[in-house]
Amino acid sequence: DAGITQSPRYKITETGRQVTLMCHQTWSHSYMFWYRQDLGHGLRLIYYSAAADITDKGEVPDGYVVSRSKTENFPLTLESATRSQTSVYFCASSDNSPFYNEQFFGPGTRLTVL
Amino acid sequence: SQQGEEDPQALSIQEGENATMNCSYKTSINNLQWYRQNSGRGLVHLILIRSNEREKHSGRLRVTLDTSKKSSSLLITASRAADTASYFCATPTSGGGADGLTFGKGTHLIIQP
Repeated sequence: DAGITQSPRYKITETGRQVTLMCHQTWSHSYMFWYRQDLGHGLRLIYYSAAADITDKGEVPDGYVVSRSKTENFPLTLESATRSQTSVYFCASSDNSPFYNEQFFGPGTRLTVL
Repeated sequence: SQQGEEDPQALSIQEGENATMNCSYKTSINNLQWYRQNSGRGLVHLILIRSNEREKHSGRLRVTLDTSKKSSSLLITASRAADTASYFCATPTSGGGADGLTFGKGTHLIIQP
């Protein structure tokens, strides 16, 4: 199916564990993004990627690692999860920079860190 | 930091009425985008309006942009129960090399049947 998918949709983990959230898009969009959504903060950019093997930090990158070896995938890793990383995580893609184009969002992953 | 701020934070109207949401932003932009989020779902793009445009329509949606006042409005005409959702304005992040969107906190719209 065409579109953008995220897995898992729900995840419960413990403090200190490593967690990887997956994002896959079928449009061959060059740009991909990770946002987190928290009550009172709206969506905040964690990391973005302008193309395969090109990634850069957003507003709140601390505690997160990304990679992009293939255009269609953009995994987000929490190296040592903390309670403050409990959030809903959204992946998005676009065929150009946000200075020119809209973004398409995945369904989100709800992560709880105990 | 918040670039766009929506107003009101919450809005409840009767089905069939029009709903207007406003967005104010701080720095100069080259476009402003509106998104909808249904409860528990991802965001869906509604309209992108460029800085040289003053008004844009899409079905029952009308977006205006006033760059002199750094504000935008989203009008939903003849509202339906299915329009119940949160609505966000977003602008391209400027500065710091963070090439993403900066979102407001959203307007939660409830359409009463």
